[in-house]
Amino acid sequence: NAGVTQTPKFRVLKTGQSMTLLCAQDMNHEYMYWYRQDPGMGLRLIHYSVGEGTTAKGEVPDGYNVSRLKKQNFLLGLESAAPSQTSVYFCASDPDGLYYGYTFGSGTRLTVV
Amino acid sequence: EDKVVQSPLSLVVHEGDTVTLNCSYEVTNFRSLLWYKQEKKAPTFLFMLTSSGIEKKSGRLSSILDKKELFSILNITATQTGDSAVYLCAVRYGNKLVFGAGTILRVKS
Repeated sequence: NAGVTQTPKFRVLKTGQSMTLLCAQDMNHEYMYWYRQDPGMGLRLIHYSVGEGTTAKGEVPDGYNVSRLKKQNFLLGLESAAPSQTSVYFCASDPDGLYYGYTFGSGTRLTVV
Repeated sequence: EDKVVQSPLSLVVHEGDTVTLNCSYEVTNFRSLLWYKQEKKAPTFLFMLTSSGIEKKSGRLSSILDKKELFSILNITATQTGDSAVYLCAVRYGNKLVFGAGTILRVKS
């Protein structure tokens, strides 16, 4: 019973490089989310998905793309990394987008130099 | 603009003290307010509040919501060093959560 799994856990990128963060959940949740967490700013929503094949922009979507080709996976892509994207990224999933709280992954610490 | 404001930003207490953390919010289409504890990694769920005046309690932690005044408090009694963490408040509106910046609590032995 893994819950929400994020890979990788740590990554260092050079400015301009690209990468993909993977989020996988085994709870058959419909909703999935990507957040970034920066000191003093809480968690901010980047993109989210309300079901397989759907994506939507959150609060801070610029510089990121996402895909949800399979219900269990939600990918976050950085096409051309910038130092401003240095952050801790959290994925979360939710059964039905209603009242219940999220299940979070353990996070990915990304440093862009 | 939807926002969640937590106070204080940080505090340091001694073991055995009681602390009160505050969360005020302004959102449209409020559904629920949630509290999380974050210790270095992923936030872990503490409480979900949907109705005013009904206290949720779990051991030494308790929380209550005031939907008229748009705020919630999280109380921790008889604090222990293991309570040291960032406490996050989040408000659910629609199918999304908006988070506050968090309160950093440090409990000294």
